Amino acid sequence: DQQVKQNSPSLSVQEGRISILNCDYTNSMFDYFLWYKKYPAEGPTFLISISSIKDKNEDGRFTVFLNKSAKHLSLHIVPSQPGDSAVYFCAASANSGAGSYQLTFGKGTKLSVIP
Amino acid sequence: KAGVTQTPRYLIKTRGQQVTLSCSPISGHRSVSWYQQTPGQGLQFLFEYFSETQRNKGNFPGRFSGRQFSNSRSEMNVSTLELGDSALYLCASSYSGTPPTGYTFGSGTRLTVV
Repeated sequence: DQQVKQNSPSLSVQEGRISILNCDYTNSMFDYFLWYKKYPAEGPTFLISISSIKDKNEDGRFTVFLNKSAKHLSLHIVPSQPGDSAVYFCAASANSGAGSYQLTFGKGTKLSVIP
Repeated sequence: KAGVTQTPRYLIKTRGQQVTLSCSPISGHRSVSWYQQTPGQGLQFLFEYFSETQRNKGNFPGRFSGRQFSNSRSEMNVSTLELGDSALYLCASSYSGTPPTGYTFGSGTRLTVV
């Protein structure tokens, strides 16, 4: 059972426009949500996160929105740049006890920003 | 500041063999987590070590094990390799593991089982 879902395997956007990546989750116990960016042959790089007690977090061109009632979050990138082309992973975490947090990842969305 | 270092980068093993992967965390980080990435299952949590103790374990068979040393370096071992163990193995380190936003991933070890 997939607890974190990214239903769009790929997304193409023109340079300068907005990219919107979506993520749905099922586990109400998740308390942090994170977005990672991954280039081929590299590990995921942390982008932005949001606590479950907030509904929006901004960092430069990146904004994450959380809708707890719908169990949905989205990452907005404005304006999109060719260097943003990568695979984006949505991840969620819950305290597993003893202070340990494990990340549950979606399967990723490949973003292509077209110059 | 050095990042998370994983060795080796690539590995080819034969079914039935065992393999050991290494992860050196960022200096000062005491939490090391391991993840397996496959095309079919995506990124899945294997286990987390903190101060030489396994603090959490994912849903993987006992053939997957790990340990952490006093300098926070961690090793992951897979015994009796199966073809399905072919994957990218990633480790991530953080100072304490809480909250999780501070995780830094290494570039991974690509394991191919033939």
